[in-house]
Amino acid sequence: EVQLVESGGGLVQPGGSLRLSCAGSGFTFSSAWMSWVRQAPGKGLEWVGRLKSKPEGVTTEYAAPAKGRFTISRDASKNTLYLQMNSLKTEDTALYYCTTEDGSGNPFGYWGQGTLVTVSS
Amino acid sequence: SYELTQPPSVSVSPGQTASITCSGDKLGDKYVSWYQQKPGQSPVVAIYEDRKRPSGIPQRFSGSNSGNTATLTISETQAMDEADYYCQAWDSSASYVFGTGTKVTVL
Repeated sequence: EVQLVESGGGLVQPGGSLRLSCAGSGFTFSSAWMSWVRQAPGKGLEWVGRLKSKPEGVTTEYAAPAKGRFTISRDASKNTLYLQMNSLKTEDTALYYCTTEDGSGNPFGYWGQGTLVTVSS
Repeated sequence: SYELTQPPSVSVSPGQTASITCSGDKLGDKYVSWYQQKPGQSPVVAIYEDRKRPSGIPQRFSGSNSGNTATLTISETQAMDEADYYCQAWDSSASYVFGTGTKVTVL
C-alpha cells in the first residue's frame, strides 16, 4: 500500500524559510516521479513543482510562483522528499500535499494528508 | 500561462445526471484528469486520460474531452458524490495546471 506522510508545516513570518518533508512507502521511491501540490484555505489546487527520477539523474520543475524561492530534493536512502521554501510570502499560506504517480502513470495518483504552512506576522 | 475554467457550482437531484465542464485553449489536444475532493480529505483521482476510471471508482463516473472543453459526467448521482471536483491537464508552457474547481451539491 502506497503511503505518503508529510511533516514540517507550521507558522512562519513573511520572509522566513521552512522545509517540508514527505516520507514515502509502498513504492519504489528511487525511481518515482513526485510532486508538491498546495491548497490555500478555501481555495483550489495549485501545482508547486515536481521531481523526476531518470536513469541519468534527477531533474526538477517548478510553477511560476515557486521558481527561485522553492527547491525540491530527495534523500532516497530515507525514502523522503523535501520542499525547501525560502522568502515566504503570506500568499504561500496553504495545505501542502505530497503526491506521486500511480500504476496508470497518473502523476497525482496518490496523495498524502497534507501539512499546513501559515505565513503570518 | 495556461488556464482551465470550471463553473463554481453545480446542483443536481439524487438519481439525476450532473455534468461538470472544464474549458481551456485546445484542451482536446491534451489529456485531462478529474479529481474528487470531499471536505477535510485529500483529492482522489476519478478520471484520467480523458475517460479512464481507476479501480474503485464507480461506473457512474465518465469523462470526455473534445475541442476546448472536457466534461465529467456523474450519472445517477448519489449523496456520497457531493464534493469539489477539479480538472487537470499538462501544458508545455505551464506544466501541470488545475482547473478552478466545481462544488457539486446533491439536493
